[in-house]
Amino acid sequence: DAGVIQSPRHEVTEMGQEVTLRCKPISGHDYLFWYRQTMMRGLELLIYFNNNVPIDDSGMPEDRFSAKMPNASFSTLKIQPSEPRDSAVYFCASSLSASGSYEQYFGPGTRLTVT
Amino acid sequence: AQSVTQLGSHVSVSEGALVLLRCNYSSSVPPYLFWYVQYPNQGLQLLLKYTSAATLVKGINGFEAEFKKSETSFHLTKPSAHMSDAAEYFCAVTFSTGGGNKLTFGTGTQLKVEL
Repeated sequence: DAGVIQSPRHEVTEMGQEVTLRCKPISGHDYLFWYRQTMMRGLELLIYFNNNVPIDDSGMPEDRFSAKMPNASFSTLKIQPSEPRDSAVYFCASSLSASGSYEQYFGPGTRLTVT
Repeated sequence: AQSVTQLGSHVSVSEGALVLLRCNYSSSVPPYLFWYVQYPNQGLQLLLKYTSAATLVKGINGFEAEFKKSETSFHLTKPSAHMSDAAEYFCAVTFSTGGGNKLTFGTGTQLKVEL
C-alpha cells in the first residue's frame, strides 16, 4: 500500500488567500484525522471523520477552517482566508477500526507558510 | 479525560548509552498505549503499541516499552543509542471503550544522541 498521501507537500501563500490541503487515506481505513503541528502548540487534533462523517471538530480553531470528506478515499482541509498564524505542518492520518488496535498511520505532512 | 504526560521535553544521551523516555498516562479504564517517532521533516511513525496483551512490548529499531499499571507508566527504552535514533518521540493513549480511534498525544520528547 502507498500509505497516506498528502498534497501538496509544501505550500506558500499570501495572507488572505484560500488554501486547500488534500489527503488520501489508506484504502479500506474508516477513520481519518487532521492534525496541526507547531513549535508553540505541538501536535493538535483538528477534526476527525468516521465513514466520511465528521465526528469531532472541536479542535478546529476558527470558522476560517473547514474540512470535508466527500468519499472514503479523499479529504480536504480548507483555510479561507489564511493568516500568518496558520503557518504550520498539517498532517493527515488514517486508521482501521476493525483492526482493534487503534493505531494511526500518518502522511508526510503539508508544510504551510502564510506570508 | 484521558491524558499522557511525557517527562522531559529534551533528552540527551551518548551514543551507546541507555535511552529512557518517560510516559505516564491518566485513565480509569484499560488503556491502549503507543509510542511514535518523528524524524525531521517527516510524519509520525509507529514504534510500538500496547493493546492489553504482553506488558513488555518490543518495537522497531530495538526499542521496547513496559506497561506498568501500578505506576500508570509506559516508558520507552533502548539499551544502546545510535546516532540514527535522534528524533522526536511521542507517547499516545486511547481506550478500548468509548475512545473510538482517537489518540491523545503527549507533548513529545526530543532525543539528542551525542558522540
